[in-house]
Amino acid sequence: GDSVTQMEGPVTLSEEAFLTINCTYTATGYPSLFWYVQYPGEGLQLLLKATKADDKGSNKGFEATYRKETTSFHLEKGSVQVSDSAVYFCALSPGGTSYGKLTFGQGTILTVHP
Amino acid sequence: DTEVTQTPKHLVMGMTNKKSLKCEQHMGHRAMYWYKQKAKKPPELMFVYSYEKLSINESVPSRFSPECPNSSLLNLHLHALQPEDSALYLCASSHGQGDRNYGYTFGSGTRLTVV
Repeated sequence: GDSVTQMEGPVTLSEEAFLTINCTYTATGYPSLFWYVQYPGEGLQLLLKATKADDKGSNKGFEATYRKETTSFHLEKGSVQVSDSAVYFCALSPGGTSYGKLTFGQGTILTVHP
Repeated sequence: DTEVTQTPKHLVMGMTNKKSLKCEQHMGHRAMYWYKQKAKKPPELMFVYSYEKLSINESVPSRFSPECPNSSLLNLHLHALQPEDSALYLCASSHGQGDRNYGYTFGSGTRLTVV
């Protein structure tokens, strides 16, 4: 079945450091890929998305590129802020018979210190 | 309006109680979802409604009963829950079922505690 694997956390960085959170996936067909962010005590917010190979999603300084050859969708940000502290989930939306089921990775906790 | 609104935000209920969670969206989305999220875990899909009809039930126990009265509303009726059902319940919506292009919009969730 479909699956998403994220790098284990927690990740702790100083403000203005470079961020990478690795995400790889296993899926049949051509899934769409998403990064969601969850701030403490809140629901999930869509951070960015990519729907086909080589697409780059970007939002609020975050970027991720859909790499079909390496089945990856790594999240990057050049300079993190304290306000970026949250849990980040990589997810995929498949087609076919699993239509409608969003599969999540385990989540990566990011803490940014001043 | 680009939000999914969930009420109540917090709920404490006894194991013999009956309660309902409510979810509302006014984005014209035709698919709505219930997810359950335990602490420090990713959300797990429970139900999917597409055009007001139940299309996916992820083998959820019958003590959870979903209802979609119209295209903007989604309810989750709770009865005879167990303490292990305590979790954050998230509602989501999308343009269509499994929307690959626009993604899913999540609400802030209802934090449920069963005592």
